[in-house]
Amino acid sequence: DAGITQSPRHKVTETGTPVTLRCHQTENHRYMYWYRQDPGHGLRLIHYSYGVKDTDKGEVSDGYSVSRSKTEDFLLTLESATSSQTSVYFCAISESSGQGDGYTFGSGTRLTVV
Amino acid sequence: GQSLEQPSEVTAVEGAIVQINCTYQTSGFYGLSWYQQHDGGAPTFLSYNALDGLEETGRFSSFLSRSDSYGYLLLQELQMKDSASYFCAVYGGATNKLIFGTGTLLAVQP
Repeated sequence: DAGITQSPRHKVTETGTPVTLRCHQTENHRYMYWYRQDPGHGLRLIHYSYGVKDTDKGEVSDGYSVSRSKTEDFLLTLESATSSQTSVYFCAISESSGQGDGYTFGSGTRLTVV
Repeated sequence: GQSLEQPSEVTAVEGAIVQINCTYQTSGFYGLSWYQQHDGGAPTFLSYNALDGLEETGRFSSFLSRSDSYGYLLLQELQMKDSASYFCAVYGGATNKLIFGTGTLLAVQP
């Protein structure tokens, strides 16, 4: 019943290479988010989108860019991967901007930068 | 600034009741949410409190006191499958989007 899928699920890349992670939703939700999860830090917001071509920075946006050309797809790009970007990346969607309905998260992408 | 504090670990036995506390500091508070995450899995939404008081959903209840900037998640009749991390979250920060605590790892023992 996956209304939100992330690809790839796992990736190992070398320092200095660009990497793009994809988030795809079938719920037609307006809002999409990228979080990273690291031990001791919980989930931290990288970038979010409130519509096609409408994106904004989150708490930890340095070194990341995003694009949303279609409602269903939200791409996260690491312009030049560094070891500090080794993390688990989660995409989330929500129907409204409020938190009352909750966010729905994808299964995550485990990224290792060597 | 914005911050959320919750215990890092809690241990309880099967069938017992456990309470996970969360204190927060944020501007423009709208409500407190709780999420569950099993090891290696996606966070899943459990509950949301916008008003003071207790909200009950099956074995799980969530409480909010806005005057004390405090809330808790209450899990009753604990089962082994409840072993997971639990995150409180509030709207806040420079982005006015969902900000998460660092999580409480609940270990349920037989």
